[in-house]
Amino acid sequence: GESVGLHLPTLSVQEGDNSIINCAYSNSASDYFIWYKQESGKGPQFIIDIRSNMDKRQGQRVTVLLNKTVKHLSLQIAATQPGDSAVYFCAENTGGFKTIFGAGTRLFVKA
Amino acid sequence: DTEVTQTPKHLVMGMTNKKSLKCEQHMGHRAMYWYKQKAKKPPELMFVYSYEKLSINESVPSRFSPECPNSSLLNLHLHALQPEDSALYLCASSPISGTPGAQPQHFGDGTRLSIL
Repeated sequence: GESVGLHLPTLSVQEGDNSIINCAYSNSASDYFIWYKQESGKGPQFIIDIRSNMDKRQGQRVTVLLNKTVKHLSLQIAATQPGDSAVYFCAENTGGFKTIFGAGTRLFVKA
Repeated sequence: DTEVTQTPKHLVMGMTNKKSLKCEQHMGHRAMYWYKQKAKKPPELMFVYSYEKLSINESVPSRFSPECPNSSLLNLHLHALQPEDSALYLCASSPISGTPGAQPQHFGDGTRLSIL
């Protein structure tokens, strides 16, 4: 989706709780979706991806859910740890090599 | 450590200067990307090279000139930049297999550019 405003949406969770980060994507023709984590001073880091022929994919402590009907993507992080604190971006591949990033969500993990 | 190396990490330049940003990867990836990222915003795609040929130019002003001299290197030549061009410039690479673009990208840590 389009990025608007000066402030990133923020999610604050207690250490050990589960986190859910949501994303609305823009193009109904997009067929590949990725979640990236960006820590301060670093480039985005791949977390997990999903193709449009799936609605759920699990990794280590992370799960991505895809709802194509409402163009919605979510990232679930189990047992959130302080090291999970970062900005999380969803991204969609809209065809060819074109990738569009969502606005991002800042995750704070309270110890 | 990131597998995509960008140099320099920081760059300050005047509006009349010419400089270049460099990116290198040795993962055998044949797609390479330049993104621009402003503070508190997502990365915005600028250019994509596939097999060392320019595939995408997202209507980027001509004061930014990309170059892909070989499959491991990507450059971004800068000339006569404006203060609004100050940003973090990220390079990424990805393998090419099956559907183009349907592979995760590996990012460098970027070059933070300031235009005086």
